[in-house]
Amino acid sequence: EVQLLESGGGLVQPGGSLRLSCAASGFTFSSYAMSWVRQAPGKGLEWVSGIDTRGGTTYYADSVKGRFTISRDNSKNTLYLQMNSLRAEDTAVYYCAKWSRISSFDADYFDYWGQGTLVTVSS
Amino acid sequence: QSVLTQPPSASGTPGQRVTISCSGSSSNIGSNTVSWYQQLPGTAPKLLIYGTNQRPSGVPERFSGSKSGTSASLAIGGLQSEDEADYYCAAWGDSLKAWVFGEGTKLTVL
Repeated sequence: EVQLLESGGGLVQPGGSLRLSCAASGFTFSSYAMSWVRQAPGKGLEWVSGIDTRGGTTYYADSVKGRFTISRDNSKNTLYLQMNSLRAEDTAVYYCAKWSRISSFDADYFDYWGQGTLVTVSS
Repeated sequence: QSVLTQPPSASGTPGQRVTISCSGSSSNIGSNTVSWYQQLPGTAPKLLIYGTNQRPSGVPERFSGSKSGTSASLAIGGLQSEDEADYYCAAWGDSLKAWVFGEGTKLTVL
């Protein structure tokens, strides 16, 4: 059974930093790209960042570029999101998602999601 | 970041068929497959449709997806009360090298 367990959320002051973790199990972690998606209170889903299988290629939403860093440790089956210079608008539930791809018809999608961890940026 | 356009709300009575639209551009929906996600209240999103029109195992056949040009649609046939949820479309954006999500559609079963 695929499981994604996020941790590291909490209350942080504007300008502060936080590191989120996502512990993966039930699949070969090193064979899949991964992503972070967030949801502000009462709002829709917003993609934040993605990373390829080896960690060599990363992708970011414009809203977090230069402030957030995604990384992974395949030996620990864990995905990370280092968040710096946090702003009030970064307040959200952050979900870790498994990014799957079927090359034969170019299909990319998020087939498993964690339960999320809440990040609150407030003074 | 650009988003895909969805109607904020949709509704139907039990047994009805409902369609939710998702409008994008040539760099996202127009050139990539679309996925759809269902989010029940207080829970994490769940994959409903991938590859524009493929259902993961366990998703009922009454959920179907389609695409034409830069727009996609999710159809739900034989509406049931447990279908009441938020629905989101998503696609990879080639020019931005980023995922884009729809704004979400809240489905109400009357």
